[in-house]
Amino acid sequence: NAGVTQTPKFQVLKTGQSMTLQCAQDMNHEYMSWYRQDPGMGLRLIHYSVGAGITDQGEVPNGYNVSRSTTEDFPLRLLSAAPSQTSVYFCASAGLRTVSRNEQFFGPGTRLTVL
Amino acid sequence: SQELEQSPQSLIVQEGKNLTINCTSSKTLYGLYWYKQKYGEGLIFLMMLQKGGEEKSHEKITAKLDEKKQQSSLHITASQPSHAGIYLCGADEGNTPLVFGKGTRLSVIA
Repeated sequence: NAGVTQTPKFQVLKTGQSMTLQCAQDMNHEYMSWYRQDPGMGLRLIHYSVGAGITDQGEVPNGYNVSRSTTEDFPLRLLSAAPSQTSVYFCASAGLRTVSRNEQFFGPGTRLTVL
Repeated sequence: SQELEQSPQSLIVQEGKNLTINCTSSKTLYGLYWYKQKYGEGLIFLMMLQKGGEEKSHEKITAKLDEKKQQSSLHITASQPSHAGIYLCGADEGNTPLVFGKGTRLSVIA
């Protein structure tokens, strides 16, 4: 199993550009989530999903969109990038039926810089 | 909402020494999770505690949840360079999304 994969690993954007951060998992996990990690702020939840077709907002959803059309994929879209979105983004997944959904498997992260 | 305070913010210990990291909640904890993050990588789940007084161990790492379920400690015995990283505690309120503390950065020096 590849676990949770994220692409790209690094990205530089200009203010106003849009892009999609990809996240995929091959563990048939129902629960997937996106976090951002900033110095001094810890890890904050952006959006999460408990299954295909179901998404919900986390603590810091503004400026981000998500969709969950399949169990495997959970892309995060930045509609119009702003410097405040410079961060490291982590995707995570968990099975809902056998363990707590908060025993999550994390991807390696995407480092995003917005100029 | 749940707020988690971790202490210390950073820690430098000599290899072979023991250390403790604390996580304190503003509310009674339902589930308390410990994760480790190696520098530049994603998080790895270590342990989950739910019951007051519960204690779990994984290799040389022991986590405890106090009886009142408002504080957890992570203890590392005989630290090694492989223990270096950022340790984060997270809490939920029963299948709600995790709220994380800001992390404790651990360095282990020879």
